[in-house]
Amino acid sequence: EAQVTQNPRYLITVTGKKLTVTCSQNMNHEYMSWYRQDPGLGLRQIYYSMNVEVTDKGDVPEGYKVSRKEKRNFPLILESPSPNQTSLYFCASRDPLLEQYFGPGTRLTVT
Amino acid sequence: AQTVTQSQPEMSVQEAETVTLSCTYDTSESDYYLFWYKQPPSRQMILVIRQEAYKQQNATENRFSVNFQKAAKSFSLKISDSQLGDAAMYFCAYRRGGTSYGKLTFGQGTILTVHP
Repeated sequence: EAQVTQNPRYLITVTGKKLTVTCSQNMNHEYMSWYRQDPGLGLRQIYYSMNVEVTDKGDVPEGYKVSRKEKRNFPLILESPSPNQTSLYFCASRDPLLEQYFGPGTRLTVT
Repeated sequence: AQTVTQSQPEMSVQEAETVTLSCTYDTSESDYYLFWYKQPPSRQMILVIRQEAYKQQNATENRFSVNFQKAAKSFSLKISDSQLGDAAMYFCAYRRGGTSYGKLTFGQGTILTVHP
């Protein structure tokens, strides 16, 4: 089954404690991205990757890092999380001819 | 920069009735795509319908149809014969054309309530 998986689905952490949200897709897609969803703002792109070792900033990259060492994986790293990063996070991958597949979302709370 | 605006934070409809969700967008591009995504309480993002800007015909998927007004930059979603399972947050989204650039720009979302 074609899918995008994210882990963990829920995470509560404290300010400053580094964390990683994993994302993996089994469709051999080159393009992957991360979005955050906040009330009244919709979803906004954080980072994207066109292929292995090719990443670039989206609209709201501050406080986040990503890496793309393998085609299937695109982890999101928060090196020093702050409360304003409390949000719902989605990973997505896209086939050039089709639309985007979204992961199930990760609810992050930073206290 | 492209922007997408959904001016209705909440809408409600009676079961079996019809409801229309509004969306406007701003772009200087001529090649682009527009989408409606549904997000039920499970939080999963589900693609409802897609419209290519170069197509004049409005897209339709079963009970879901759009009214695409390119000159007015308007893209509304009509849900006919509403069902309880249609209750969700709905997002309008824009993507520039071309196969190498996949960023979606989303509107703020509209919460749809369906009353039995």
